[in-house]
Parts: sequence; structure tokens; C-alpha cells
Amino acid sequence: AQKVTQAQTEISVVEKEDVTLDCVYETRDTTYYLFWYKQPPSGELVFLIRRNSFDEQNEISGRYSWNFQKSTSSFNFTITASQVVDSAVYFCALSETTMEYGNKLVFGAGTILRVKS
Amino acid sequence: GAVVSQHPSRVICKSGTSVKIECRSLDFQATTMFWYRQFPKQSLMLMATSNEGSKATYEQGVEKDKFLINHASLTLSTLTVTSAHPEDSSFYICSARDLDRNTEAFFGQGTRLTVV
Repeated sequence: AQKVTQAQTEISVVEKEDVTLDCVYETRDTTYYLFWYKQPPSGELVFLIRRNSFDEQNEISGRYSWNFQKSTSSFNFTITASQVVDSAVYFCALSETTMEYGNKLVFGAGTILRVKS
Repeated sequence: GAVVSQHPSRVICKSGTSVKIECRSLDFQATTMFWYRQFPKQSLMLMATSNEGSKATYEQGVEKDKFLINHASLTLSTLTVTSAHPEDSSFYICSARDLDRNTEAFFGQGTRLTVV
């Protein structure tokens, strides 16, 4: 069975600090996708990144970066120079890749990030 | 880009009534849509897979007679919470993926249901 673990329930940082959100996953699939979503207080889910299991290259997008390590089944997310607007719940998710299922996602429990000014 | 629209964003209803939530893909056709439920301060749990033109596939433990799903067209799926009770109060959110363009999953804005 697929499983996503986000061990950090809540993290509080002061603005401009760097923060890393951890994500560990379990799957028997050899091909899969990993995602990060941001959920601000308004509730909608904002897509941040999708990464397939064959692409272990780390990615950087502005202040955001992701470290995918297949050997440890981890897909960690780092925010550099955090800002108050980064305060939200962040979810890591895993999906099967069969076209039949499309985007059936298994979510982690989420990590609440609080950035204080 | 692809957008999924969900309506209403908030609804308050009385116990025993039914509530319908709509999920629309605005610029792509979605043969499959997904309905998730999120309890306060918890993660999203998949409730069911909505399939255009056929019956929905429900996850274990989800009452299909309680949560009716209809996917009547390629751009619209509806979730009806029948005979709602206070324990059905939750955040419901749908998602769809543009398979033709192999996009990521797009989520609707979510519906916060409060049953009083």
C-alpha cells in the first residue's frame, strides 16, 4: 500500500529563516509521481511541484527547492528566506501512474508552517 | 492553464437535508474526477473516483448511498450529501487532471459544509 509520512506536525520560524519540510513515502510501484501542495487558510490547494520517480534531479524555483532521494524514499521541500506569506499547511502526496486512475493521490498528514515577522 | 471550479464554497444546512456540490473542469475534459474530504486540521482522504458515464468507485468505508456522485458530462461531477448530519460537516474538495495534456492534478476551491 502507498503511504506518505510527514513527521513534522508544525514548524514555527522567524521571517528570513530557511525551513525544510520532510516527506517520506512508501510504494511498491516502480513508476510514481510525488507532489507538494500548499493549503493557505482559505482552503484551496495550490500546486507547487510534480516529480516523477525517474527524475532524481533536484529542483529550484525561486525561494523553493526540492530534494528527491530515491535511496531514502524522501522528497523534502526547502523554503529559503521564509516570508509571512509562506504560512500555510503543506502537503506531500504520492500518486499511481496508470492512466486509468489519473491523479488518485495519497496525501501525507500535512505540516503546518508558521512564519513570524 | 487548466482550472477546476467548485461550487458552493461554503454551505450551511439543517440536519436531514441534502446538499449538492458541483465540480467543473473549465477548459478541459475530465473523464475522471476525484472527491476528497478533509476534517479540521487533518489530511485529505480520498472518498471516491467519479467516472463519466459510469458509476463512481468508492473508497473503503465511504457510504455510497450517503455520498451520491454523478458525473453526467465530461466537465461536471456532482457530490450530493444526502440526509446530512452534523458529523458530515467537513471540507470537501474535488480534483481533476487533464490527461490529454498530462498535467498535474488541479483542485477545486473546496466546499466547507456545516450541518446544524
